Amino acid sequence: ETGVTQTPRHLVMGMTNKKSLKCEQHLGHNAMYWYKQSAKKPLELMFVYSLEERVENNSVPSRFSPECPNSSHLFLHLHTLQPEDSALYLCASSQGSRTGYNEQFFGPGTRLTVL
Amino acid sequence: GQNIDQPTEMTATEGAIVQINCTYQTSGFNGLFWYQQHAGEAPTFLSYNVLDGLEEKGRFSSFLSRSKGYSYLLLKELQMKDSASYLCAVRDPGGGSYIPTFGRGTSLIVHP
Repeated sequence: ETGVTQTPRHLVMGMTNKKSLKCEQHLGHNAMYWYKQSAKKPLELMFVYSLEERVENNSVPSRFSPECPNSSHLFLHLHTLQPEDSALYLCASSQGSRTGYNEQFFGPGTRLTVL
Repeated sequence: GQNIDQPTEMTATEGAIVQINCTYQTSGFNGLFWYQQHAGEAPTFLSYNVLDGLEEKGRFSSFLSRSKGYSYLLLKELQMKDSASYLCAVRDPGGGSYIPTFGRGTSLIVHP
């Protein structure tokens, strides 16, 4: 049990669908992250929310939009995705600030398939 | 920019010792993390180095040389369950943030 949960675990969607991924952390951390993990590629940071900063990877398409209503919950809203967006989407949390983030705790991920 | 290099794949024998290297070129440095990720599972934290030298934690040890931009993860008394991907991540404040950047990971296969 890592303390970070994600739903759904698996998602299949068409290119015209709208869906949302949900992440919840029960560790009292103050930073949450979305990563994309594709085969043979490094973990790609998509978004970060913390008390002191919000970071967006400029290469992430606008069809992905994050929402962080509080320090325990993080969403990733998906719309008009492309087949190349099929990947494992990992949520993580950590404690820290702009002067240093501690180790990250990852959720189990959502395996997304776009048809 | 940031560049983090790890071997793509390594194989080793049960009971042996294996060393997984990670080299990095970054504009700054504020710590290096190692994570383990079993197939189909989430990455889990293994170790953290910010000063030069060796950090030992049971069968796993991690070494850092900041002047060489080099780290390694040493796994002793290998077990079959150690078959996994090992991810190196570097924290580089030179990019304006203290969020770690991950390498591609090294897939370790342990065979009997």
